[in-house]
Amino acid sequence: DVKVTQSSRYLVKRTGEKVFLECVQDMDHENMFWYRQDPGLGLRLIYFSYDVKMKEKGDIPEGYSVSREKKERFSLILESASTNQTSMYLCASRPFGEPGATGELFFGEGSRLTVL
Amino acid sequence: DQQVKQNSPSLSVQEGRISILNCDYTNSMFDYFLWYKKYPAEGPTFLISISSIKDKNEDGRFTVFLNKSAKHLSLHIVPSQPGDSAVYFCAASANDYKLSFGAGTTVTVRA
Repeated sequence: DVKVTQSSRYLVKRTGEKVFLECVQDMDHENMFWYRQDPGLGLRLIYFSYDVKMKEKGDIPEGYSVSREKKERFSLILESASTNQTSMYLCASRPFGEPGATGELFFGEGSRLTVL
Repeated sequence: DQQVKQNSPSLSVQEGRISILNCDYTNSMFDYFLWYKKYPAEGPTFLISISSIKDKNEDGRFTVFLNKSAKHLSLHIVPSQPGDSAVYFCAASANDYKLSFGAGTTVTVRA
């Protein structure tokens, strides 16, 4: 069975803290993605990685960075958390490695981050 | 600016009737479209997709229609069941790695 696992379902952090969100997939997928979901805005792409050590900015990368040192793991980093980063964060993976591949995304269950 | 728009935030339908969800897009380069379903506290799951070379794709109770000239697609669920109550996201891809998502439509199926 396809599995994308996000390390924390719920986190509460303080403004200015460094936050790590971890995502692991067990499907040997090349592509991995980080989205955030906000009411009325849907899912917005933060960063994606089409292969190990590769990363590309999505639509809203400001305030975030990512790391992909191993194929199965894609980490999202908030260097200095702010209240406007309170959101649901969703990790996803996809089995194809080439542009134009339109395979479906497999999502994790999400990490609800609250920044106080 | 959102390139994929779902203008109806919510939809309420009686069990057994048809649910019609609508989605509009602005990017003429989009060539692949997907619908995802999301329950609370879970990640979205893939429901059905359609390529721009087709105008209809059917999978059981779910049918997606694509009108390229109008830049519009719709998802029909017939008959609607209580388990269909969820948030539905429309998504589109322009021959690259990225999917652009709409804001979602919350469907409530009444018994």
